[in-house]
Amino acid sequence: NAGVMQNPRHLVRRRGQEARLRCSPMKGHSHVYWYRQLPEEGLKFMVYLQKENIIDESGMPKERFSAEFPKEGPSILRIQQVVRGDSAAYFCASSPAGKGTEAFFGQGTRLTVV
Amino acid sequence: GESVGLHLPTLSVQEGDNSIINCAYSNSASDYFIWYKQESGKGPQFIIDIRSNMDKRQGQRVTVLLNKTVKHLSLQIAATQPGDSAVYFCAENYQAGTALIFGKGTTLSVSS
Repeated sequence: NAGVMQNPRHLVRRRGQEARLRCSPMKGHSHVYWYRQLPEEGLKFMVYLQKENIIDESGMPKERFSAEFPKEGPSILRIQQVVRGDSAAYFCASSPAGKGTEAFFGQGTRLTVV
Repeated sequence: GESVGLHLPTLSVQEGDNSIINCAYSNSASDYFIWYKQESGKGPQFIIDIRSNMDKRQGQRVTVLLNKTVKHLSLQIAATQPGDSAVYFCAENYQAGTALIFGKGTTLSVSS
């Protein structure tokens, strides 16, 4: 049973470009969570999704950031017009429905904006 | 705002010593707490959890203590090994169906 898969592991974007981060949950998990980790910081909650529905996006910046979890395929975190301050590690976790305490994390995508 | 925090950003111990990592939380309504270990370049890895109706839980070489009176959580690692070197985070869950909220982390360094 593969764990949570995130890709790419490393992503370099120039300022103004778009970044797309992908997360495939563990088999049998229908809920996905995205977190951002700045250097020397803890994980900050961004968004919580189930298939075709956003449950909680209270941690998402109001502009440039969006997330989706379609019926088929991975969850996507999209950052438009990236800025240097977006450079961070982005982690995805997945859990069974309604069991956020049983979340397993992926290895993260490290975004560098140059 | 309410958040989970840790007392010390770093902790250095000798191999074989016992380590204690502390965490203070502010949301008295939280019903579930988890300790995670994060090694360099990797995602957080579950260590041990505890529910709010408990005050102690033991695992293999690790013990989590919960003091709800002072809103304090600690992780004890027995006979610390170099492989325990990592950043440790506590996380809380306000209620079922919500996402985990993390503290800033303590970096544990174990020297031989």
